[in-house]
Amino acid sequence: EIVLTQSPGTLSLSPGERATLSCRASQSVSSSKLAWYQQKPGQAPRLLIYGASSRATGIPDTFSGTGSGTEFTLTISRLEPEDFAVYYCQQYVSSLLSFGGGTKVEIK
Amino acid sequence: QVQLVQSGAEVKKPGASVKVSCKASGYTFTGFYIHWVRQAPGQGLEWMAWINPNSGVTEYTQKFQGRVTVTRDTSITTAYMELSRLTYDDTAIYYCVTGIVAFDYWGQGTLVTVSS
Repeated sequence: EIVLTQSPGTLSLSPGERATLSCRASQSVSSSKLAWYQQKPGQAPRLLIYGASSRATGIPDTFSGTGSGTEFTLTISRLEPEDFAVYYCQQYVSSLLSFGGGTKVEIK
Repeated sequence: QVQLVQSGAEVKKPGASVKVSCKASGYTFTGFYIHWVRQAPGQGLEWMAWINPNSGVTEYTQKFQGRVTVTRDTSITTAYMELSRLTYDDTAIYYCVTGIVAFDYWGQGTLVTVSS
């Protein structure tokens, strides 16, 4: 099973700042089958990024994903008030899928 | 539009079983895998299992092997997740999920509470 480790656990930033979230895999995630999700309190997660760098439908270009192999990054170029949430990475290259533990982006 | 509508909240005693349903609409049911993901209170997301609705083939994470069973009824485009031998640690929201590129579409979640 591929283990995903996200860092930091919590990111305290102000609106307008840049957020950089990391996701490290225990083994290579080939074909860049890595996704990022956003979850707000009381809601189901929402797909942001798939294939490591492709934005899902309706996701603004302030969100971008990069990386390959075992190192992946989600960047929010300029935080809007509605972007404060928990973010999860997920690998789907293996038939046994897995999520990272999450990064909470909170208002400083 | 794609919709996944799950059954309502459940309260179960330790040792019991729970079966959650997930009614799919708005797409070809047999075209995409359905996954089950759970989230304990204040915790992260945990992938549990998937089913290929076309073939019925399933895959389960080892943690739940022997305790979880995922099935489907193609005639009513519904998937099911049954979890047995419940413990307090199984208290969580259970989601069914499907998608084309990844986990594009999520059900609303079903809260399962294990309480004596």
